[in-house]
Amino acid sequence: LAKTTQPVSMDSYEGQEVNITCSHNNIATNDYITWYQQFPSQGPRFIIQGYKTKVTNEVASLFIPADRKSSTLSLPRVSLSDTAVYYCLVGPHRGGATNKLIFGTGTLLAVQP
Amino acid sequence: EAGVVQSPRYKIIEKKQPVAFWCNPISGHNTLYWYLQNLGQGPELLIRYENEEAVDDSQLPKDRFSAERLKGVDSTLKIQPAELGDSAVYLCASSQLAGVGDEQFFGPGTRLTVL
Repeated sequence: LAKTTQPVSMDSYEGQEVNITCSHNNIATNDYITWYQQFPSQGPRFIIQGYKTKVTNEVASLFIPADRKSSTLSLPRVSLSDTAVYYCLVGPHRGGATNKLIFGTGTLLAVQP
Repeated sequence: EAGVVQSPRYKIIEKKQPVAFWCNPISGHNTLYWYLQNLGQGPELLIRYENEEAVDDSQLPKDRFSAERLKGVDSTLKIQPAELGDSAVYLCASSQLAGVGDEQFFGPGTRLTVL
């Protein structure tokens, strides 16, 4: 399973765009990149997933360069309610070999007024 | 549709006592996960089930932890005896298929405090 590296924490202000980068130098050909969000006292929640280039949904965008060794989660115009921990996971989609699911320590995003 | 249900939400016990956590996954989800989450850390996988079969339990401390998923639906995670270091949040999640890339739906967790 590809090891990921994220910043421990980030600060932002309401209305700004926030970009959280995840490094995954050992990503395998069949690995996907998945991001989860976790609020205090709740379980993680799926945000977005991608394999290459750009993926966008109603919540966020995910940018993946051609070499796929990193990815960037982009949150447009953050609000106070976006304050949470964000996790980047890399691994095979729909089964594949048994691998450990590694969330790591994630990135704590703190949004201020 | 109901999400993943866990109970109890909170549990306080004295060390050396047994404790059990229950999880009801989303209907139709074949894969079920139990995670342990310590304060300030991400979830750590304890065990993963595909239907009734435990396909990955390499991180489960088998001397005191056990789990079962009878009939491939509900699951129970047990600790006996509990130790001070077991204080954490225990999360249950489910997904339709197995794989890191498959969307997991998490329950609210059970916060265990061992005194």
